[in-house]
Amino acid sequence: QVHLVQSGPEVRRPGASVKVSCKTSGYIFTTYGITWVRQAPGQRPEWMGWISGYNGNTNYAEKVQDRVTMTTDTSTSTAYMELRSLRSDDTAVYYCARGEGFADYWGQGTLVTVSP
Amino acid sequence: DIQMTQSPSTLSASVGDRVTITCRASQSVGTWLAWYQQKPGKAPKLLIYKASSLESGVPSRFTGSGSGTEFTLTISSLQPDDFATYYCQHYHSYLYTFGQGTKLEIK
Repeated sequence: QVHLVQSGPEVRRPGASVKVSCKTSGYIFTTYGITWVRQAPGQRPEWMGWISGYNGNTNYAEKVQDRVTMTTDTSTSTAYMELRSLRSDDTAVYYCARGEGFADYWGQGTLVTVSP
Repeated sequence: DIQMTQSPSTLSASVGDRVTITCRASQSVGTWLAWYQQKPGKAPKLLIYKASSLESGVPSRFTGSGSGTEFTLTISSLQPDDFATYYCQHYHSYLYTFGQGTKLEIK
């Protein structure tokens, strides 16, 4: 069965960076992309971007494109999302999910808290 | 960016009721629309993709319909497990966006 397991919660100061991992199993990693979605407390999900599991091509949301980098390690079937220059409004649960348009399997989420 | 607007924001209903949630797009998204269910503290769960295709393992009481700018999610007979928040999401063109959500509450 398909699983996406994310790294644990993080606390960062404003201006710092965070890197969240998403280890996948149960499918051929290179045949699907990974989408990253975040959800601030009480808010709707927000699409951050997508990375191809096949060739690493990316598409980022304009809102974060200057601060985000999504990568993959095909040898370990793991995807990564790094967000730099963190601000308080980056506090959210960050999800990885399988798929490019709609997402059929999701990680458990990683809470990133940005606080002075 | 395409804006997605759901109605109602909150819906109170009873077990066994038939309910419908509406999602409107600010411009046509064809049938590039998905519906998700989310429970507190959990990741969203895919219910419907391509506007009307039922995801594997999702009960047949969930039905999606629509195209262009107007879409609906119908639950034919509410079960206790269905009380949750529902989101629509378009994937027509970048930036993919979600609706603000519809919270389905027990009456």
